[in-house]
Amino acid sequence: AQTVTQSQPEMSVQEAETVTLSCTYDTSESNYYLFWYKQPPSRQMILVIRQEAYKQQNATENRFSVNFQKAAKSFSLKISDSQLGDTAMYFCAFDETSGSRLTFGEGTQLTVNP
Amino acid sequence: NAGVMQNPRHLVRRRGQEARLRCSPMKGHSHVYWYRQLPEEGLKFMVYLQKENIIDESGMPKERFSAEFPKEGPSILRIQQVVRGDSAAYFCASSPMMRETQYFGPGTRLLVL
Repeated sequence: AQTVTQSQPEMSVQEAETVTLSCTYDTSESNYYLFWYKQPPSRQMILVIRQEAYKQQNATENRFSVNFQKAAKSFSLKISDSQLGDTAMYFCAFDETSGSRLTFGEGTQLTVNP
Repeated sequence: NAGVMQNPRHLVRRRGQEARLRCSPMKGHSHVYWYRQLPEEGLKFMVYLQKENIIDESGMPKERFSAEFPKEGPSILRIQQVVRGDSAAYFCASSPMMRETQYFGPGTRLLVL
């Protein structure tokens, strides 16, 4: 069974600084998708970024970028120029090839301080 | 383009009652997924449906829980004879095709008294 591990339950960063959230996963598949979702205090689940495993280039979305290390099964999220609105729970998720279910990590609570 | 709609947003039930949670996918999306989030935990997959078909229900509890996605109307997650352990946030997501990005609704918070 696929597992997703987020080893940092909580993190904090000063506004305008850069922070990196870690995620590792375990799978025997070669083709899959990885996601980062954020869940602000409103509890809405919002897609942050998506990475296809067959693509070597790391995905970027404005201030958000990933460092995808397929051999190491690592998928970290870097947030540049952190903003107060980035305060949220961040979930790493894995989409296995054989189905369409997402497997989520336990989340990292990020707090951006003014 | 409206996002995924879920209603009700909050639902309170007493033990033994039934809970019905509704999900309307984004326009053009025919794949629906249900997830449950217990307090202080990540989301756990429950069931994956296409119109009129259950594709994967491996995450559904064996008893009391059922889901449907009829040809017309929203997807329904039904919990019979609720217990306090069913208190959680239930999220619905939709995608246009299998393996496409899933977009989530705002969730339904179920509280069982």
